[in-house]
Amino acid sequence: GENVEQHPSTLSVQEGDSAVIKCTYSDSASNYFPWYKQELGKGPQLIIDIRSNVGEKKDQRIAVTLNKTAKHFSLHITETQPEDSAVYFCAAFYGQNFVFGPGTRLSVLP
Amino acid sequence: GAGVSQSPSNKVTEKGKDVELRCDPISGHTALYWYRQSLGQGLEFLIYFQGNSAPDKSGLPSDRFSAERTGGSVSTLTIQRTQQEDSAVYLCASAQGAGANVLTFGAGSRLTVL
Repeated sequence: GENVEQHPSTLSVQEGDSAVIKCTYSDSASNYFPWYKQELGKGPQLIIDIRSNVGEKKDQRIAVTLNKTAKHFSLHITETQPEDSAVYFCAAFYGQNFVFGPGTRLSVLP
Repeated sequence: GAGVSQSPSNKVTEKGKDVELRCDPISGHTALYWYRQSLGQGLEFLIYFQGNSAPDKSGLPSDRFSAERTGGSVSTLTIQRTQQEDSAVYLCASAQGAGANVLTFGAGSRLTVL
């Protein structure tokens, strides 16, 4: 089955700096990779996703890159703001299911 | 509805009692998932429904856990004889059809077993 690892588990950055979170997956059959942001007391919200036929996708300050050969994908947040502080989860769609990474707690310091 | 709706938002129960958690998916979404999130942890898959197909129950941790989905819409997750280790947030999510489609989560039901 699929296994998703995510690093780092916690990340602190200064406001305005960039943040990068990396995930690796184990099964090359996975073909869809969403990223979710979860704020305290709320359910996860989709922020960006990428499919296996694309290497990079960008949406304003957020971008995701995918390396199918190495089986890893990364979330990049530029010009971080305090409201970016949350827990971020990566996921891989495998079979009929989404397998999630353990999460990264991002803190943006003013 | 406009989003995935879960109820109750909070439930406190005594050890040994049964609980029911409800999920109302986005209208027209045929795929429905239940996940469990323990404090500070990731999302643990519990069960998956797709249309009228037999559900994938491979993630249910014990036979005290069961779920049903009536009429292909609303789903109920039932935990019998609750234990303290069942305390967690139970998240429901839905997607449009089978396959790699966008998954939309509800706000979750926080269960506390005393």
